Amino acid sequence: GDSVTQMEGPVTLSEEAFLTINCTYTATGYPSLFWYVQYPGEGLQLLLKATKADDKGSNKGFEATYRKETTSFHLEKGSVQVSDSAVYFCALSDAGGGADGLTFGKGTHLIIQP
Amino acid sequence: NAGVTQTPKFRVLKTGQSMTLLCAQDMNHEYMYWYRQDPGMGLRLIHYSVGEGTTAKGEVPDGYNVSRLKKQNFLLGLESAAPSQTSVYFCASSRTSGSNTGELFFGEGSRLTVL
Repeated sequence: GDSVTQMEGPVTLSEEAFLTINCTYTATGYPSLFWYVQYPGEGLQLLLKATKADDKGSNKGFEATYRKETTSFHLEKGSVQVSDSAVYFCALSDAGGGADGLTFGKGTHLIIQP
Repeated sequence: NAGVTQTPKFRVLKTGQSMTLLCAQDMNHEYMYWYRQDPGMGLRLIHYSVGEGTTAKGEVPDGYNVSRLKKQNFLLGLESAAPSQTSVYFCASSRTSGSNTGELFFGEGSRLTVL
C-alpha cells in the first residue's frame, strides 16, 4: 500500500538557518503530494501541495518539488524563524482519487531557537 | 468562521466507560474523517464518511463506531473504552474527496485519556 517516510526529529535549528525536511513516498501511480503544519495546540493545516511531477508548491517561504524519479517531496525554507516551530507532516493522496483521505507520514518536530 | 469544531477538547475515562466525540463543520463539506494521533505513529484514519448517512472503515476502526445522521455532524463513539484508546483525536472535513484536492480542514483535536 501507499506509505510516506519522513525524518521524525526533533530537528533543532537556529533562527535564520536553512531548513530541509526530507520526505519520500511509496505509491502506485502518480499521487498528489502535500505538506501540512501543526502549530502547538492546534489542528493540522495545509502548507503547500503539488499535483504532478516537477511541480513546485510554495507558501510562506516554504517550497517543495515533486520529484518522481526519486519519489521525494522535500520541504525547504531559506531562513527559518522562531514562529516556524511546529510539527510538519508530509502526505500523499490515492492516485485513484479514493475517498479515504490522505496517507500521512509520522511528522517531523521542528524547533527553532532564537 | 468556526470551520471544524470538536467537543469535548479534553476527557478522562475509566476503562469500560463509553463516550461520544462530536465533530461539527459549517462549510457544507461532503467528506468527513476521524483520525487519531499517537507519538511516533503520525495520523491514522479511524473512519470516514462521503456524505450524510454514509460511513466507512479506515485503517484502525476496531473499538470505534461512527454516525453521520446530519451532513454537518460526524460522531465518533467508544462503547467500552480501553487504555489503548488514549490518544488525540482529530476530525477533518473536505469539500470533495481529500485525495483530489488535499485540502482537509482539521479541528483543534480532542485529547482522550483512558485510565
